[in-house]
Amino acid sequence: NAGVTQTPKFRVLKTGQSMTLLCAQDMNHEYMYWYRQDPGMGLRLIHYSVGEGTTAKGEVPDGYNVSRLKKQNFLLGLESAAPSQTSVYFCASRRTGWTEAFFGQGTRLTVV
Amino acid sequence: AQRVTQPEKLLSVFKGAPVELKCNYSYSGSPELFWYVQYSRQRLQLLLRHISRESIKGFTADLNKGETSFHLKKPFAQEEDSAMYYCALRGSGNTPLVFGKGTRLSVIA
Repeated sequence: NAGVTQTPKFRVLKTGQSMTLLCAQDMNHEYMYWYRQDPGMGLRLIHYSVGEGTTAKGEVPDGYNVSRLKKQNFLLGLESAAPSQTSVYFCASRRTGWTEAFFGQGTRLTVV
Repeated sequence: AQRVTQPEKLLSVFKGAPVELKCNYSYSGSPELFWYVQYSRQRLQLLLRHISRESIKGFTADLNKGETSFHLKKPFAQEEDSAMYYCALRGSGNTPLVFGKGTRLSVIA
């Protein structure tokens, strides 16, 4: 099993450009999450999904959109990138119940 | 509201010294508490969860509901323990994990 895989690993965007980050999991997990990691801020939840076709806002959702059309994939979109969105993005998934979350390897995004 | 506080941004200890990474939480119900570790440029991975009550890599953590704490301890630090440590909380109803801001542990040889 590959676990949780994020694509791409690195990306540099110009302000105003758009992009989509892909998170794929092969563990048949119901729950999927997108976090951003910033120095001194820890991990903050952007959006999450409790199942295929459902999404919900987290702590810092502004400037991002998500979709969960297939159970195994959770997409994070930036419609118009801003320098404040420079960060490391982590995807995570878990199954229902009292279970741990598994994380992807991260995507390092720089917006110039 | 759910909140996790890790008061130390950086903790430096000498190899062989005891380590205690502090974590306090705020939650009105019965939470599930975790410690995640992130080694340099790697993904986060689960270190401990309070339900398991186990020792991993020599680390232990006890949930103290009276003090609302879940401190991470190890009696003798090793250089390979140097990493970023995150305390995390999940409340009831399958709510998402809430993380503290993390503590960077540096073990000096």
